[in-house]
Amino acid sequence: GNSVTQMEGPVTLSEEAFLTINCTYTATGYPSLFWYVQYPGEGLQLLLKATKADDKGSNKGFEATYRKETTSFHLEKGSVQVSDSAVYFCALYNAGNMLTFGGGTRLMVKP
Amino acid sequence: NAGVTQTPKFQVLKTGQSMTLQCAQDMNHNSMYWYRQDPGMGLRLIYYSASEGTTDKGEVPNGYNVSRLNKREFSLRLESAAPSQTSVYFCASREVIGAYNSPLHFGNGTRLTVT
Repeated sequence: GNSVTQMEGPVTLSEEAFLTINCTYTATGYPSLFWYVQYPGEGLQLLLKATKADDKGSNKGFEATYRKETTSFHLEKGSVQVSDSAVYFCALYNAGNMLTFGGGTRLMVKP
Repeated sequence: NAGVTQTPKFQVLKTGQSMTLQCAQDMNHNSMYWYRQDPGMGLRLIYYSASEGTTDKGEVPNGYNVSRLNKREFSLRLESAAPSQTSVYFCASREVIGAYNSPLHFGNGTRLTVT
């Protein structure tokens, strides 16, 4: 079946530090990959997505590249801000009308 | 834009009580979903409705029932609540057009505690 594995958090960084949150997946075929972000007290919001190998999704300074050879979709940002503090979820869609989520990684950015 | 609206936001139940979580979306989406979120486990799909008139089990359906009342509304019912159902419940919807992988739109969640 499909599965998504994320690095466990929390990840604590100082403002302007470089961020990487690792995500690897297991799936047959060619899934689409997503990063969602959840701010405190809210539902998840789509952050970025990539639908085929070597695609790079980007939004709000975040980037992730779909690497089929390593089955990875790591999230990166060059300079984090306090407002980026949230929980980040990696997810994949691979037919069947269902999205499979990773366990989530909490990011805390200190001023 | 309201998007996906869930009610209630918070609920406390005693073991054995029943309740229905309500969800409505105003985006004319075909598909709707119920997830539960537990610490360290991400989101797990309980039930989904691919289109009006259909419902299917997800990963963790036991103890729950759903009703797709119309295209806008998708409710989740706990007939006899158990402490293991203490969780945050999220409703989501998305448009499905052919093979296009459109993103999910989430409500703000219902925090349920079963004592």
